Amino acid sequence: DGGITQSPKYLFRKEGQNVTLSCEQNLNHDAMYWYRQDPGQGLRLIYYSQIVNDFQKGDIAEGYSVSREKKESFPLTVTSAQKNPTAFYLCATEGGMGQPQHFGDGTRLSIL
Amino acid sequence: GEDVEQSLFLSVREGDSSVINCTYTDSSSTYLYWYKQEPGAGLQLLTYIFSNMDMKQDQRLTVLLNKKDKHLSLRIADTQTGDSAIYFCAERGPVPSGTYKYIFGTGTRLKVLA
Repeated sequence: DGGITQSPKYLFRKEGQNVTLSCEQNLNHDAMYWYRQDPGQGLRLIYYSQIVNDFQKGDIAEGYSVSREKKESFPLTVTSAQKNPTAFYLCATEGGMGQPQHFGDGTRLSIL
Repeated sequence: GEDVEQSLFLSVREGDSSVINCTYTDSSSTYLYWYKQEPGAGLQLLTYIFSNMDMKQDQRLTVLLNKKDKHLSLRIADTQTGDSAIYFCAERGPVPSGTYKYIFGTGTRLKVLA
């Protein structure tokens, strides 16, 4: 989706290191989401934010942190506390009531 | 509990119709969605249906909703090799906090044989 940019496309993490995944959108959507996708599984919600300066934990928030200082940006930090971070991370936005979620192209995180 | 179930694999011949099925558990879901994911990419919205509808057609895609059985299906007519991908069903329903959440199925991998 051209309106949602995730970077980098590939990311490698060393032991004990925090890494930050970027998600930027120009769709003027209020709500933003982070999902984790593991092989053969559906998407699991990590964090979501419905408005600037506010965010809530999803189903698997442990070991992750987020911020929402600007409407356009919702970065996800994978901390050293996340012991199994290898996965495909997807950012999504939503324009409002009943509107479907739109997804970025994802970031694949691997352990060095 | 909340759950969205899909079969893992489907294989069809080029030119045939594909039918991908999904069952969900939350009867209060308001919208149901179908997404397509190609290798290494994000999810692309294909179509969605409001819960008070039984059917929605969009070119080669037909969505059928049986709310009584909590069953959703996606039919792709004249399936092409470019339709090979993983297809996700998702429901959107309310949560006690007053907001809502999306629940995604595990995805169905469609393989189209030439």
